[in-house]
Amino acid sequence: EIVLTQSPGTLSLSPGEGATLSCRASQSVSSDYLAWYQQNPGQPPRLLIFGATSRATGIPDRFSGRGSGTDFTLTINRLEPEDFVVYYCQQYGSSPVTFGQGTKVEIK
Amino acid sequence: QVQLVESGGGVVQPGRSLRLSCAASGFTFSDYPMHWVRQAPGKGLEWVAVISFDENTRFYADSVKGRLTISRDNPKNTLYLQMDSLTSDDTAIYYCARALSGSFGPDAFDIWGQGTMVTVSS
Repeated sequence: EIVLTQSPGTLSLSPGEGATLSCRASQSVSSDYLAWYQQNPGQPPRLLIFGATSRATGIPDRFSGRGSGTDFTLTINRLEPEDFVVYYCQQYGSSPVTFGQGTKVEIK
Repeated sequence: QVQLVESGGGVVQPGRSLRLSCAASGFTFSDYPMHWVRQAPGKGLEWVAVISFDENTRFYADSVKGRLTISRDNPKNTLYLQMDSLTSDDTAIYYCARALSGSFGPDAFDIWGQGTMVTVSS
């Protein structure tokens, strides 16, 4: 199975700053089937990005994804207070789907 | 609106069984493959199982194969997870989730339920 490694584990930033989250795969992700999710405490994950670069319905354009093969990034421009939560990447190019361990974005 | 609502979680002793349900509304349930994903307390996400729209095909994570069974009742718009021979490693929040593309197989998940907590403890 494909192992996804997210870095950093925790990102300390201030509101208004930009964030760059990394997700590296142990082998190439087929068709760039890479998704990003946001999870608030006590809530289910919310789909942000699919297909490495496509924003899901209703997701603000300050969230963007890029990358291909084994290296992917999620960029959040101009952090809002509600953005300081946990983010997961997921590959769905091969079975079983797998998730990264998560990156927590915290207020500095 | 599009919604998934899980139920059936609780505290169960090791070796016992539990059945989870996921009620779907706001979309044509029978058009979509459906998945279960779990999250142990304070941990990350783990995919558990998937079932095709017509219930003919099911795949499982190796960690649950032979113990957990996914099923669905399309006329009732309900997804199920039968959990047998439970161990402490199965302690988690269990989410049902809809496949983004509507195709069977590995997929992203665009709709998630709120989850139901399963605690396996003596």
